[in-house]
Parts: sequence; structure tokens; C-alpha cells
Amino acid sequence: EPEVTQTPSHQVTQMGQEVILRCVPISNHLYFYWYRQILGQKVEFLVSFYNNEISEKSEIFDDQFSVERPDGSNFTLKIRSTKLEDSAMYFCASSPRGSSYNSPLHFGNGTRLTVT
Amino acid sequence: AQSVTQLGSHVSVSEGALVLLRCNYSSSVPPYLFWYVQYPNQGLQLLLKYTTGATLVKGINGFEAEFKKSETSFHLTKPSAHMSDAAEYFCAVSGAGGTSYGKLTFGQGTILTVHP
Repeated sequence: EPEVTQTPSHQVTQMGQEVILRCVPISNHLYFYWYRQILGQKVEFLVSFYNNEISEKSEIFDDQFSVERPDGSNFTLKIRSTKLEDSAMYFCASSPRGSSYNSPLHFGNGTRLTVT
Repeated sequence: AQSVTQLGSHVSVSEGALVLLRCNYSSSVPPYLFWYVQYPNQGLQLLLKYTTGATLVKGINGFEAEFKKSETSFHLTKPSAHMSDAAEYFCAVSGAGGTSYGKLTFGQGTILTVHP
């Protein structure tokens, strides 16, 4: 079964550094998402992306965050200047259609970001 | 606005016993409801979903959940626990239709432990 793949599985970076988290969604999917889970807290929606633009973003997704689909296969999340509170597990997800009715999200295994 | 509350961050059962994981939601629109499971070092995997129609939904691995609108609940059950069910379980809600595609609101998760 096709999978959403995320790399790296664990990323350590210093505060103030830029970091790029990478995701390869399922090939025929059109909608892409990033979620994050701070240790001990809920999984939180960050952003949705369709047709090369952001569909919706949460309050968390401020100017420090950006997403891009640089080619036909990758979907990236960039954090420009990381803060300690950005430490979390970041999940990428994709779906074939926008409505969740019959196209639930397929999640990757996540990238654990540690900011020191 | 939507929210999800999972009662009990940890649930422990014996192998062969009934599994009951509780989920209550709040939604200003008719909800779509989901249960996801996360095994160690893996992503979120869809167990089952409720969108419309039959209120008792069956999922993978023998799990089922019943949507009770009057109680705003979507509890997850399995008649007989297996050791392989040990994982973290997340209840999630999204709005039916609209533009918030794939924007799931998650509960805080329930860790299920199964004892031999």
C-alpha cells in the first residue's frame, strides 16, 4: 500500500537555525497537510495545501513557517528561525480529495524536531 | 469551532477483555468523526470513520464505534483485546464539507496497555 514518507525521522537543530522537513505524499494525492504534536500535547493542525497554494492555516503557522511543493513529489515545511518551542513531532499527511468524507488523511511516520 | 475530549489518558485491560475508549466532541456543524491509532515509531493510521448514515461503524482490527448525537460521543470499542492492540488512540473531528478540508481537531490521545 502506498505510504507517505517523511525525512529525516529525527532532526536536531540549534535555536535560530533554519530547518526544512521533507515529505513525499502518496503519488496521486492532491491535498497536503502538516500537523505537529508537542510532547504531551494534542496533535495540532498547521496548514493545508492544494493546487500550489495554502488552503488554510492555523494560528500556529506564522511568518516563521512556510510550505512548498518544489517538484511533483516533495512537500516541504520550512521553519526560518527555530525556537525552543518548535520542538515537536511533525506529521505530514495527504489525501486524494479535499473533503474528508471518503478520502481520509494518510499520515507519515513523522519527523521529530529537537531545537537546542 | 470544534473540540474533542478523550476521557482517560491511559487505559489498561487484560488480554481478552473489552476495550472501551471514550471520546466526546463539540462541533458547530455536523461532524465527521475519526479514530486513529499510532503504534510506536509509526504514523497515524485510520481505524474507522463516521461521516453519514449508519451510526455504528466498523473499522479495522475488530474495532467499532458508535456515533451518538444526543450524547455527542463517539466511543471506540473492541470486544476482546489482543496484545497487538497496545498503542495510542486518537479521536478526531472535522467539519462536514466546507473549505476546511482535512483540518482535523484531535483529542489528546489514550494510551492502551494490554496485559497478558
